[in-house]
Amino acid sequence: AQKITQTQPGMFVQEKEAVTLDCTYDTSDQSYGLFWYKQPSSGEMIFLIYQGSYDEQNATEGRYSLNFQKARKSANLVISASQLGDSAMYFCAMREGGGTSYGKLTFGQGTILTVHP
Amino acid sequence: EAGVTQFPSHSVIEKGQTVTLRCDPISGHDNLYWYRRVMGKEIKFLLHFVKESKQDESGMPNNRFLAERTGGTYSTLKVQPAELEDSGVYFCASSRIYLDTQYFGPGTRLTVL
Repeated sequence: AQKITQTQPGMFVQEKEAVTLDCTYDTSDQSYGLFWYKQPSSGEMIFLIYQGSYDEQNATEGRYSLNFQKARKSANLVISASQLGDSAMYFCAMREGGGTSYGKLTFGQGTILTVHP
Repeated sequence: EAGVTQFPSHSVIEKGQTVTLRCDPISGHDNLYWYRRVMGKEIKFLLHFVKESKQDESGMPNNRFLAERTGGTYSTLKVQPAELEDSGVYFCASSRIYLDTQYFGPGTRLTVL
């Protein structure tokens, strides 16, 4: 069975500094995808970044990058130059590549990030 | 392009009543997913539609939950009768194909008293 673990219930960072949110995963599949979503206090889930298991380069999207270490089964989210608007809950999620899962996501528990001015 | 929309945003009902949640996916997205987050727990998969067909409903908690997707467009999730443990946030997500990124709606917060 798949499992996603986010060990940091809460994280604090100073504005303009970088922060890393941890995510480890467990799967026996060779093909899978890893996602990060942001959930601000307003409640919507915002897609941030995606990493495929066969992607050799770490994914980047603006200030977001995904530190993908396949051997360690980790997919940490790095936010550079934090902004006050980055304060939110962040979820790591995994999707199996095929089989019978047909794309359903398995989520971690989430990490609440607070950015201090 | 309009995003995924969900209605209502918040619903408060009493135990034993019926509630119907609606999700309108992004236009052209054949894949529609329902997820739920119960207080303090992880977001959990409920079911997956491809067009109007249920592809995977392995996450549906019990037969009090009924999901439909009429004509492969919008979807409804009915809870009948609602129980206290059904309280939580119900998210809908859609994707063009199942390997694509899923885009989520704002969720419906269901409170069962």
